[in-house]
Amino acid sequence: GESVGLHLPTLSVQEGDNSIINCAYSNSASDYFIWYKQESGKGPQFIIDIRSNMDKRQGQRVTVLLNKTVKHLSLQIAATQPGDSAVYFCAEAGGGADGLTFGKGTHLIIQP
Amino acid sequence: IAGITQAPTSQILAAGRRMTLRCTQDMRHNAMYWYRQDLGLGLRLIHYSNTAGTTGKGEVPDGYSVSRANTDDFPLTLASAVPSQTSVYFCASSSTPVPGELFFGEGSRLTVL
Repeated sequence: GESVGLHLPTLSVQEGDNSIINCAYSNSASDYFIWYKQESGKGPQFIIDIRSNMDKRQGQRVTVLLNKTVKHLSLQIAATQPGDSAVYFCAEAGGGADGLTFGKGTHLIIQP
Repeated sequence: IAGITQAPTSQILAAGRRMTLRCTQDMRHNAMYWYRQDLGLGLRLIHYSNTAGTTGKGEVPDGYSVSRANTDDFPLTLASAVPSQTSVYFCASSSTPVPGELFFGEGSRLTVL
């Protein structure tokens, strides 16, 4: 079946640098996308979402970009901090499915 | 602020035993979900409920059942646990059925021996 996937399982960046986490999706009917952050031993926490009628959305230190042509989603984190260390999941919805379909996650490691 | 409460936090269970994971939310959300999280597989939807009195099957429903007698509670039952059901289980809710933000609980770690 169709699924949401991530390009890299682990991403290591220097503190203060910008991070970019990528996500590819294959369900062209998906119309809603969302990024979650999960810290060790905790439940996923909402970061930012975007609907298919947009190609960019900004939050506090985060930006989500959506390229529907190539079915690609990215999360940009500006000036990464130690507290940004976590696993990041993209998820999608739409196309008749209920609930969110999650990717497998990218582990973001912040180097001092 | 409670949000979503899951219980137990952790449980070790013998294979063949029956187990119910509890989930309660105080946000008056209409929709609730159960996901399991396994290393390398991400989060997979087990069952969901778009409103009290209704339930639906997700991606991996076999071996699990749910009920939604009221808005606040959404228990997940393993009728006869098997080792492959060892996982971390997350309950989530949303004000309306997806698309929309899901709020997650802190998870229930279940080990089936």
